[in-house]
Amino acid sequence: DAKTTQPPSMDCAEGRAANLPCNHSTISGNEYVYWYRQIHSQGPQYIIHGLKNNETNEMASLIITEDRKSSTLILPHATLRDTAVYYCIVRAPLNYGGSQGNLIFGKGTKLSVKP
Amino acid sequence: SQTIHQWPATLVQPVGSPLSLECTVEGTSNPNLYWYRQAAGRGLQLLFYSVGIGQISSEVPQNLSASRPQDRQFILSSKKLLLSDSGFYLCAWSVIPGAGETQYFGPGTRLLVL
Repeated sequence: DAKTTQPPSMDCAEGRAANLPCNHSTISGNEYVYWYRQIHSQGPQYIIHGLKNNETNEMASLIITEDRKSSTLILPHATLRDTAVYYCIVRAPLNYGGSQGNLIFGKGTKLSVKP
Repeated sequence: SQTIHQWPATLVQPVGSPLSLECTVEGTSNPNLYWYRQAAGRGLQLLFYSVGIGQISSEVPQNLSASRPQDRQFILSSKKLLLSDSGFYLCAWSVIPGAGETQYFGPGTRLLVL
């Protein structure tokens, strides 16, 4: 079972920031938070991941609360092409007892960017 | 840069027929390789993973098998397809694992068993 909870759907206006929340209240100290997205009929696309500190890359920003029990993925200027299902996943690295492979994808948040 | 290829993109097969799906990775050496399946409207299920040539670990017992004949080639096979094998099959790769291992997915193969 997924260790995360996400709203099933969200809408965002084109050009505005999309803030996607994720609750992971049972996260362990060595578990990372990953975000992927899946556009219809395509393979999941890696977006960003982090452990404790906030992270930013060319696609998005990841804000992790101090207690690490929740996080927010921010798409600063959403476009129509950002319409997708966004998955938040927590997972330990393999060299700290994490289980090989299994990224456990929950149901994610279906983000609809509207013009 | 690294790229991952899967083929075919779509496949329609009769029940009881064999299956062979191929995945290849370019631009990296000795990757971890993974096969996932996504049933319609559901999450991803890890089927197999491989940390090296000839090394295959199975996550779920079923009528599918996997092989890794070359460093950057991963093959998913079945001798006799079942209706329940229909789904979206995804191959993924990652670098040798460490802190924050990230998996990158291919475009997928959509399989329909009739």
